[in-house]
Amino acid sequence: DGGITQSPKYLFRKEGQNVTLSCEQNLNHDAMYWYRQDPGQGLRLIYYSQIVNDFQKGDIAEGYSVSREKKESFPLTVTSAQKNPTAFYLCASSIDRDTYAFFGQGTRLTVV
Amino acid sequence: KNEVEQSPQNLTAQEGEFITINCSYSVGISALHWLQQHPGGGIVSLFMLSSGKKKHGRLIATINIQEKHSSLHITASHPRDSAVYICAVRGGSNYKLTFGKGTLLTVNP
Repeated sequence: DGGITQSPKYLFRKEGQNVTLSCEQNLNHDAMYWYRQDPGQGLRLIYYSQIVNDFQKGDIAEGYSVSREKKESFPLTVTSAQKNPTAFYLCASSIDRDTYAFFGQGTRLTVV
Repeated sequence: KNEVEQSPQNLTAQEGEFITINCSYSVGISALHWLQQHPGGGIVSLFMLSSGKKKHGRLIATINIQEKHSSLHITASHPRDSAVYICAVRGGSNYKLTFGKGTLLTVNP
């Protein structure tokens, strides 16, 4: 079955450590996105990629990095420079900007 | 920047009731999305529309471009409809969506 997979579902890290969140899709979608969700706030765009080997900053890219070396994969690294990394992170993909987005199940990151 | 406001923030209904969730935005858009988020966190896209009305099962989404307003209706609501419903808009030709804060719907049996 086609879909988008995020792993792990829960992640705990110590403050000061970098951590990479995985996002894989087998939908053959060109566009992929990373969002952050905090309680009481709408989803906010961290990074997006329109095509392989290309990505653009979203509204809250500081402290995060991404890569898009393969069409199916769009990993997000939360660096130690991110001041408040504890959040729920959602990955999504779509054929292009004019189509539905498919979302993963999310990764809940807790930094202690 | 587009501002997206949803109302109500919380909604409790009895099974079988007709539900309406509203979404208003401040700047012209090219598309509006309705999404559903279940307690586990996963999100499902329900509708994407730029004009008129769409229907899928018991769900109906409408949009009024002139009034910058959209509504999501649920007919014959059921406890399994309990979720957070999120409105998101895209302006212009870019890939960015601006999201509302969501409406928490609880349907009691």
